[in-house]
Amino acid sequence: GENVEQHPSTLSVQEGDSAVIKCTYSDSASNYFPWYKQELGKGPQLIIDIRSNVGEKKDQRIAVTLNKTAKHFSLHITETQPEDSAVYFCAASINDMRFGAGTRLTVKP
Amino acid sequence: DTEVTQTPKHLVMGMTNKKSLKCEQHMGHRAMYWYKQKAKKPPELMFVYSYEKLSINESVPSRFSPECPNSSLLNLHLHALQPEDSALYLCASSPSSANSYEQYFGPGTRLTVT
Repeated sequence: GENVEQHPSTLSVQEGDSAVIKCTYSDSASNYFPWYKQELGKGPQLIIDIRSNVGEKKDQRIAVTLNKTAKHFSLHITETQPEDSAVYFCAASINDMRFGAGTRLTVKP
Repeated sequence: DTEVTQTPKHLVMGMTNKKSLKCEQHMGHRAMYWYKQKAKKPPELMFVYSYEKLSINESVPSRFSPECPNSSLLNLHLHALQPEDSALYLCASSPSSANSYEQYFGPGTRLTVT
């Protein structure tokens, strides 16, 4: 089955800096790659996604890139703010969605 | 509106109790999911319903029994649980169970088994 690896497990940045989280997947048939943000005590919130026919997608301060050949995809957050602090999960979907282990992002004011 | 609602928010139950978790969505989605999430871990898929029929059961113990009464509702019936079943139970819905559709999660039910 699909295996998703996510790095780093924790990330601390200064407010205004950029943050990058990287994921790799094992099954080349995966074709949908969402990113979720989970705040303490809440369910995961879909923040951006990308499909395998697209290399990059951007939504305001958030962008995702996909390299199908290398089987990796990344989340980029620019101009980070304290409210970006949360756990971020990547996922890859083939028959069902498999999540990475998560990255705890802390944005220091 | 991308809201999935879950009740109750918190549940404490003994190992001999029977309880149910409820999930509702009004987005017209045809696929609904139950996930289990332990602390500091990603969500783990338990069940998938597609067009009100169970399509995936990830080898979940029979003490967890899902039910989909209609396209908007999803229940998870709990019986004779173990303390290790304590976790956040998340419901999600998607336009389709096909593998390129976004899933929207509810806030979860925090379950504690004593």
